[in-house]
Amino acid sequence: EIVLTQSPDFQSVTPKEKVTITCRASQNIGSNLHWYQQKPGQSPKLLIKFASQSISGVPSRFSGSGSGTDFTLTINSLEAEDAATYYCLQSSSLPRTFGQGTKVEI
Amino acid sequence: QVRLQESGPGLVKPSETLSLTCTVSGGSISNYYWSWIRQPPGKRLEWIGYIYYSGTTNYNPSVKSRVIISLDTSSNQSSLKLNSVTDADTAVYYCATGAAAPDNWGQGTLVTVSS
Repeated sequence: EIVLTQSPDFQSVTPKEKVTITCRASQNIGSNLHWYQQKPGQSPKLLIKFASQSISGVPSRFSGSGSGTDFTLTINSLEAEDAATYYCLQSSSLPRTFGQGTKVEI
Repeated sequence: QVRLQESGPGLVKPSETLSLTCTVSGGSISNYYWSWIRQPPGKRLEWIGYIYYSGTTNYNPSVKSRVIISLDTSSNQSSLKLNSVTDADTAVYYCATGAAAPDNWGQGTLVTVSS
């Protein structure tokens, strides 16, 4: 089973700040890494698929990069509505696995 | 947009079977992968498994011996059955479309395992 480790676990930021969240895989997963945003009481929302592909309707301040074992989610010019927990998910192999989450507090 | 809605008992006794249904509206259950994912309180998301409309399934080894995911095309529903539950199965259960990067999720339903 592939283990995904996110860092940091928690980040306190101010509006308009740039936020970087990393996800490290325990083995090479190519570009099979996806990012989700989850707000309290809501289901996860897909932000980025296959490491860097944008999703229709997701603000352009969200971007992803990386391949192999190291991946990054970047939020440029953070807005108050971006307060949430962010998760990475790998689809390189079964079982699918998620990172432990990064909580972004504003 | 296809909408998904999970339903089922919110309380299940230990050793019994958890049964949930995901009802699809605004579209057909065909031509999709249907994933089930859960989130124990305060913990990370856990992939349970998925089914393709052809009937092909894949399950997480952590629950494989206890789980069945199925589709009912006549009622446009996906179902999850998990037997011999313990308190470790207490979680919010989600259904979602997609096998690689599920992009459409239901709101989730909390299932508590307790006597």
